[in-house]
Amino acid sequence: EVVLTQSPGTLSLSPGERATLSCRASQIISVSYLAWYQQKPGQAPRLLIYGASSRATGIPDRFSGSGSGTDFTLTISSLEPEDFAVYFCQQYGTSPGTFGPGTQVDIK
Amino acid sequence: EVQLVESGGDLIQPGGSLRLSCVASGFSVTSNYMNWVRQAPGKGLQWVSIIYSDGSTYYADSVKGRFTIYRDNSKNTLFLQMNSLRVEDTAVYYCARLLGGLDYWGQGTLVTVSS
Repeated sequence: EVVLTQSPGTLSLSPGERATLSCRASQIISVSYLAWYQQKPGQAPRLLIYGASSRATGIPDRFSGSGSGTDFTLTISSLEPEDFAVYFCQQYGTSPGTFGPGTQVDIK
Repeated sequence: EVQLVESGGDLIQPGGSLRLSCVASGFSVTSNYMNWVRQAPGKGLQWVSIIYSDGSTYYADSVKGRFTIYRDNSKNTLFLQMNSLRVEDTAVYYCARLLGGLDYWGQGTLVTVSS
């Protein structure tokens, strides 16, 4: 099973600041199969990024993904008030698909 | 419009059984990779099971032998049959389509296993 580790656990930032979230895998993942999700309280997760760097439909361009091999990054270029949420990475190239534990982005 | 609507969650005693349903609209469950993902209260996401378009299935080790994923093509519905339920199966269960990531999710249905 591919284990995903996310850092930091919590990120406290102000609106307008840049957020950089990390996802590290225990083994090499094909870039085609790495995704990022946003989840707000009481809601289902929302797909932001798939294939490591492709934005899902309707996702603003302030969200971007990068990385390869075992190290991947989600960047939010300038935080909007609605971006404060929990972010999960996921690999879906190998069954079982696995999720990282999440990064909480809080308002500072 | 693509939509997924789950139902079937309930309070159930340990050892009991429950069947979750996920009705899809706007696409065919048969032609897609369909998943169940769960989230225990206050915890992260855990992938539970997947059924591929060819009918093959995979399960997380924690549910293997107890849960069964299947679909009804005529009703365009995905199911999760859960047997021998344990306290640790308590979670919100989501169905989701896998198409370049899990691109569509249902609203979730709560399963509580408790005596």
